[in-house]
Amino acid sequence: GQNIDQPTEMTATEGAIVQINCTYQTSGFNGLFWYQQHAGEAPTFLSYNVLDGLEEKGRFSSFLSRSKGYSYLLLKELQMKDSASYLCAVSPPGGSYIPTFGRGTSLIVHP
Amino acid sequence: KAGVTQTPRYLIKTRGQQVTLSCSPISGHRSVSWYQQTPGQGLQFLFEYFSETQRNKGNFPGRFSGRQFSNSRSEMNVSTLELGDSALYLCASSLGESGETQYFGPGTRLLVL
Repeated sequence: GQNIDQPTEMTATEGAIVQINCTYQTSGFNGLFWYQQHAGEAPTFLSYNVLDGLEEKGRFSSFLSRSKGYSYLLLKELQMKDSASYLCAVSPPGGSYIPTFGRGTSLIVHP
Repeated sequence: KAGVTQTPRYLIKTRGQQVTLSCSPISGHRSVSWYQQTPGQGLQFLFEYFSETQRNKGNFPGRFSGRQFSNSRSEMNVSTLELGDSALYLCASSLGESGETQYFGPGTRLLVL
């Protein structure tokens, strides 16, 4: 089975840096997704990590440690529009093609 | 390329009724997955269709069913609606291989009274 854990809610200040953690215990693992979801909207893809290490995409970076079952999403130079829910999802190895989603972390950015 | 589209966007039904939701995937995508999202449970997987066949299924009762057409468009049906079925229903399309990114539609918000 899959068990994915992320904090329910985080708050941060505009211009700051925030790290959203995701830990997982799974019977199989292929990679880990991060999605962003604004209130009332669909999730949108942010990143997909398969190998250990940090991948940077502009203000957003995602890190994966397969041996520790751990990932984080790092958001720099926070903007008000970054207030959203951030979902991590584990992609199982071949066979089942469906990622399992965590419950999401609601990030509130205040001035 | 056009994104994933879902219709209708909003729906109000009463208990006992049935509802059909529609999803058109991104052109070239053969996999369509359906999810139910509620504040308490998060994103819960309903089922996935690939090339007109149900390939994966979540833990939902038989009242929830779906199908996929030859053009990859998919429909989801919920019969005998219950109050607890009120949720945002999202569909996601992908190429259908493990690790492929899923692209979500805007969702259908269903309210059951």
